[in-house]
Amino acid sequence: GESVGLHLPTLSVQEGDNSIINCAYSNSASDYFIWYKQESGKGPQFIIDIRSNMDKRQGQRVTVLLNKTVKHLSLQIAATQPGDSAVYFCAESSNDYKLSFGAGTTVTVRA
Amino acid sequence: GAVVSQHPSRVICKSGTSVKIECRSLDFQATTMFWYRQFPKQSLMLMATSNEGSKATYEQGVEKDKFLINHASLTLSTLTVTSAHPEDSSFYICSAPAAITSPDTQYFGPGTRLTVL
Repeated sequence: GESVGLHLPTLSVQEGDNSIINCAYSNSASDYFIWYKQESGKGPQFIIDIRSNMDKRQGQRVTVLLNKTVKHLSLQIAATQPGDSAVYFCAESSNDYKLSFGAGTTVTVRA
Repeated sequence: GAVVSQHPSRVICKSGTSVKIECRSLDFQATTMFWYRQFPKQSLMLMATSNEGSKATYEQGVEKDKFLINHASLTLSTLTVTSAHPEDSSFYICSAPAAITSPDTQYFGPGTRLTVL
């Protein structure tokens, strides 16, 4: 079946720099997208979400961009901090509220 | 924000035994909960949807007789791995939507690490 995928499995970023994590999705029926952060041995933590009627949404230090034309989702983290080191997953959902997760990107912040 | 707990956080059992994992919504009611399985360095895979007052619905390829789900109340869902085998060793995670405030937003439990010897 269709699934959400990620462009890059790992990302190394210098502390203080901005991070960009990408995600491609294939289900055109998906109308809700979420980014989660997962630290080792823990459950996913909600970061930010966006609906299909929007193309950009900002939170605290994070911005999600949605390009429905090319079915692409990205997460931007401003001024990356050591505490941002984790695995980041994008997830998609349609009207049945089930989530389909991408493969995940491991972000490592260099001091 | 909404809080979801899981118990136990870690369990080790012998092959052939059954293990029960609890998922609780602590400050909200959840008529629906979801169970996921995550193998090391892999993504979360949805196993089943737990429905309060009715049978769970399972994703394709998930054995309902092996992974028993009971949604006992509006704040509790349990997953029982029956006759566990080493290949069932995994990280099991539940989630619940905070239906009233934001039905699309799901809150995840901290996960349960199951090791079958």
